[in-house]
Amino acid sequence: QQQVKQSPQSLIVQKGGISIINCAYENTAFDYFPWYQQFPGKGPALLIAIRPDVSEKKEGRFTISFNKSAKQFSLHIMDSQPGDSATYFCAASQTQGGSEKLVFGKGTKLTVNP
Amino acid sequence: EAGVVQSPRYKIIEKKQPVAFWCNPISGHNTLYWYLQNLGQGPELLIRYENEEAVDDSQLPKDRFSAERLKGVDSTLKIQPAELGDSAVYLCASSRRGEDTQYFGPGTRLTVL
Repeated sequence: QQQVKQSPQSLIVQKGGISIINCAYENTAFDYFPWYQQFPGKGPALLIAIRPDVSEKKEGRFTISFNKSAKQFSLHIMDSQPGDSATYFCAASQTQGGSEKLVFGKGTKLTVNP
Repeated sequence: EAGVVQSPRYKIIEKKQPVAFWCNPISGHNTLYWYLQNLGQGPELLIRYENEEAVDDSQLPKDRFSAERLKGVDSTLKIQPAELGDSAVYLCASSRRGEDTQYFGPGTRLTVL
């Protein structure tokens, strides 16, 4: 059972455009939703994270939108740059009273063309 | 601050051979994780340590995989014997107690021939 479903699998955007990656989860006990960025040959690095008590969080060009009722959250990358080309993973965990295990989506390979 | 250190970065072995991976977490991080990342997939947790105690090893295939974290700092993950299907990237991560952010190392890419 895949607890976190991520789409699309791959995404090609022109420089300056908006990249949008979507995730859906099933476990309503999840209370922490991070996005990780991974470059080839590197480990994942935390990009931005949100908790379900807010509907949006913005850090620079990166924004998480969170819809608790729909059990969905998304990453928006504004003014996408070639340096943003990487694989992005959404994840979820239950940090309160749970195993704190991060459950990852399958990833989205983003390519930003110059 | 140094990041999570893993070695080796790459390992090629014949099937049925043993292999071991080493991880040094960020200084002061009590929690250590080992993840498995198959090609084109997200990381999947194998085992989580709080100090030297394995608090979640439910996803670790115990017939061939073992791990230890002596003295609650460095950790070693072992596979014996390795199978073709074990080819993947093995990631180590660490976090500070009470904090949610996990910091990942660069991983060890294992190829089993």
